[in-house]
Amino acid sequence: DSGVTQTPKHLITATGQRVTLRCSPRSGDLSVYWYQQSLDQGLQFLIQYYNGEERAKGNILERFSAQQFPDLHSELNLSSLELGDSALYFCASRIGWATGELFFGEGSRLTVL
Amino acid sequence: GQQLNQSPQSMFIQEGEDVSMNCTSSSIFNTWLWYKQDPGEGPVLLIALYKAGELTSNGRLTAQFGITRKDSFLNISASIPSDVGIYFCAGGPNNAGNMLTFGGGTRLMVKP
Repeated sequence: DSGVTQTPKHLITATGQRVTLRCSPRSGDLSVYWYQQSLDQGLQFLIQYYNGEERAKGNILERFSAQQFPDLHSELNLSSLELGDSALYFCASRIGWATGELFFGEGSRLTVL
Repeated sequence: GQQLNQSPQSMFIQEGEDVSMNCTSSSIFNTWLWYKQDPGEGPVLLIALYKAGELTSNGRLTAQFGITRKDSFLNISASIPSDVGIYFCAGGPNNAGNMLTFGGGTRLMVKP
């Protein structure tokens, strides 16, 4: 158990809909990262937050947005969903903002029908 | 952007055999991390390397940070069925503000 909690574990929705994925980082970690993993693909970095502020952005679509709240949990919002958005979405956390060891949650599997 | 080439893409081995996989980059990294991902689960950190030439073991796993700082390898000795999964390398760049770059993964299958 990494200490990173993600909900929901599974989500099935229709094209055009909007969903919110939630992440609670490990106790004491200030940085939260979001990654997307499509079927049999590697991990694509989406966005990083550190202590409530956006720190870095990767290949995140404009239809996607995220935020980190004062209690350090984070949410990833995916809107106008398309079939190609079906993927595993992982949250990871670490204590600082600089690059280093990341601890991953178990992921949220999104299926868009 | 930075690219990590991880090989092999997949391996099918007999239980008890040793396994070796590696990652190479065109860029220098300050950190190399190795993760294992079981089906439907999140990646779990196996070994972290922070110094060129460093050799670190975790049970039957051994990883090395290449001297050139552009490569790393992971060895698994005496494989067992529960070693099945996808192994990812990740490189941390010189600039601490930049993100980890992940390799494409090595899918390991072990035949009992």
